[in-house]
Amino acid sequence: DSGVTQTPKHLITATGQRVTLRCSPRSGDLSVYWYQQSLDQGLQFLIQYYNGEERAKGNILERFSAQQFPDLHSELNLSSLELGDSALYFCASSVGGSGANMGELFFGEGSRLTVL
Amino acid sequence: AQRVTQPEKLLSVFKGAPVELKCNYSYSGSPELFWYVQYSRQRLQLLLRHISRESIKGFTADLNKGETSFHLKKPFAQEEDSAMYYCAPMNRDDKIIFGKGTRLHILP
Repeated sequence: DSGVTQTPKHLITATGQRVTLRCSPRSGDLSVYWYQQSLDQGLQFLIQYYNGEERAKGNILERFSAQQFPDLHSELNLSSLELGDSALYFCASSVGGSGANMGELFFGEGSRLTVL
Repeated sequence: AQRVTQPEKLLSVFKGAPVELKCNYSYSGSPELFWYVQYSRQRLQLLLRHISRESIKGFTADLNKGETSFHLKKPFAQEEDSAMYYCAPMNRDDKIIFGKGTRLHILP
């Protein structure tokens, strides 16, 4: 499968803990986006990377951080976890830049985080 | 602040009836506009983009700059259209904000 892959699919942890979510973009895509989907909140944009550099930032908490590595995979780190951080975290990738494919995101299946 | 509003959380429409999913946005400049769809047990995927002015699966979307709206329309609903639909503007920095989504339920 050359699509976007996210690991782990499910994660259960306790308050105060730290987790890392991983995303491998589609082959050839330079841009990676992270979104959080909570109940009734829709998809909240967290952060975007393009070719290793942070490009846009959304409503990402200071307890959260992300990075994109030279091989273009990305990790989202969530620390000091709270109950309210329980959500589905999506990664999406795109070619990035301008052109005909601008704005077309390819989504992963998401990582479901449950904080107890 | 950039904002996108989809006023209907749930829209139920009879098969064969027209569908209109509303989207209003508040953005500086002229964003590019997209509709994304998530069918049951599938990944979120692009349905159509304004810049292409295309019709996909019978859906079209009209950009009204005066009303800052980008409503999604289809003249005759089909059962396979049941899904979650998201309106998504994109600004110059490629930042894509999604609305909260509208669940479209096609009644037989």
